[in-house]
Amino acid sequence: DAMVIQNPRYQVTQFGKPVTLSCSQTLNHNVMYWYQQKSSQAPKLLFHYYDKDFNNEADTPDNFQSRRPNTSFCFLDIRSPGLGDAAMYLCATSRDKAGEGETQYFGPGTRLLVL
Amino acid sequence: AQSVTQLDSQVPVFEEAPVELRCNYSSSVSVYLFWYVQYPNQGLQLLLKYLSGSTLVESINGFEAEFNKSQTSFHLRKPSVHISDTAEYFCAVPGYSSASKIIFGSGTRLSIRP
Repeated sequence: DAMVIQNPRYQVTQFGKPVTLSCSQTLNHNVMYWYQQKSSQAPKLLFHYYDKDFNNEADTPDNFQSRRPNTSFCFLDIRSPGLGDAAMYLCATSRDKAGEGETQYFGPGTRLLVL
Repeated sequence: AQSVTQLDSQVPVFEEAPVELRCNYSSSVSVYLFWYVQYPNQGLQLLLKYLSGSTLVESINGFEAEFNKSQTSFHLRKPSVHISDTAEYFCAVPGYSSASKIIFGSGTRLSIRP
């Protein structure tokens, strides 16, 4: 029944060592989102895909990249993780535009630890 | 620009007591309003949303929220809380720069005391 799957649930990486987080969905939704959530804070949108169209938030660091090779999968690449990148990373999907009333479906998140 | 304010960062209540989590928004365009809940160590999930029609919307687990246009509020209420309601609650509104995204409030942590 899993609809939005994130792997791994916990990821430990070293300072400066590239890391990739993955997200897959079984909902066939058009839109996929990546959020960063730090402790006791609201999720912060990093970028989203509307189908194949990539939309980067203005304040997302260049260190963060994303790929969506097909409808089902989306990846978050952190090229050179810093200590400040330690956070929970949430993937979400929506059938159409969330800002027009569509529900977002979230995965369980990947908690990233940077040593 | 649209924004959302959650006035209370933490709300402690006793089990079976009523609770209200406050949310105010600013918007000059059509309003859609959301409440999402995040249980410990999980992702967010939709609790309820207002799109149009009746100003009172309900969730399946006893929460309700009322859209109040004159006060630009969408407060979340439950008449009797349970331990299992312990979670972080986020109010959200559509993003102003893109219809694909929503903006979350800072969240309210609801802690239930037995």
